[in-house]
Amino acid sequence: EDQVTQSPEALRLQEGESSSLNCSYTVSGLRGLFWYRQDPGKGPEFLFTLYSAGEEKEKERLKATLTKKESFLHITAPKPEDSATYLCAVHQGGSEKLVFGKGTKLTVNP
Amino acid sequence: DAGITQSPRHKVTETGTPVTLRCHQTENHRYMYWYRQDPGHGLRLIHYSYGVKDTDKGEVSDGYSVSRSKTEDFLLTLESATSSQTSVYFCAIKGVGGDEQYFGPGTRLTVT
Repeated sequence: EDQVTQSPEALRLQEGESSSLNCSYTVSGLRGLFWYRQDPGKGPEFLFTLYSAGEEKEKERLKATLTKKESFLHITAPKPEDSATYLCAVHQGGSEKLVFGKGTKLTVNP
Repeated sequence: DAGITQSPRHKVTETGTPVTLRCHQTENHRYMYWYRQDPGHGLRLIHYSYGVKDTDKGEVSDGYSVSRSKTEDFLLTLESATSSQTSVYFCAIKGVGGDEQYFGPGTRLTVT
């Protein structure tokens, strides 16, 4: 069964304190791995797609990386506005289904 | 903004009543999806559509039906709502040229 596990469940950082979120997955025939940001009371907002091991994508203070078994979302010098829940999802080849992890709730204190 | 609207945004209903949620998109996307989001479970796919009148089940489809008579509208129906269907429901569309999905603002449904 396809599984996506995100860790930690919650993370508190001070403004400027860099860290990483982890998404480990087990899926046969990975077609893509996706990162989303979700603010309270809103729908998930698409951030990145990664397709193959070694691939990296960057957007402002965020950088996503992918290996054969996991992905990391690196947050460099975070600001309070980066506070949100970050979701990871994987897409298996031959299926329309995205399997989501339960998310990491990030809080950045000023 | 992927041009997705959901209605209603909030609904409270009683057990046993039928409920229909609407997802509307303005950009002619072929693929549309319905998810539910519950604490401790993450987002789970209920049904999806790959064209007008073309739909398929997701992982938690029991108790739900869908219809798509026009490209722009995807309806989710709870034939007889139960308390276990209290959740936040999200509609999504697949991006053009990629596999990423874009989500609507959600509908919070409470079944009492």
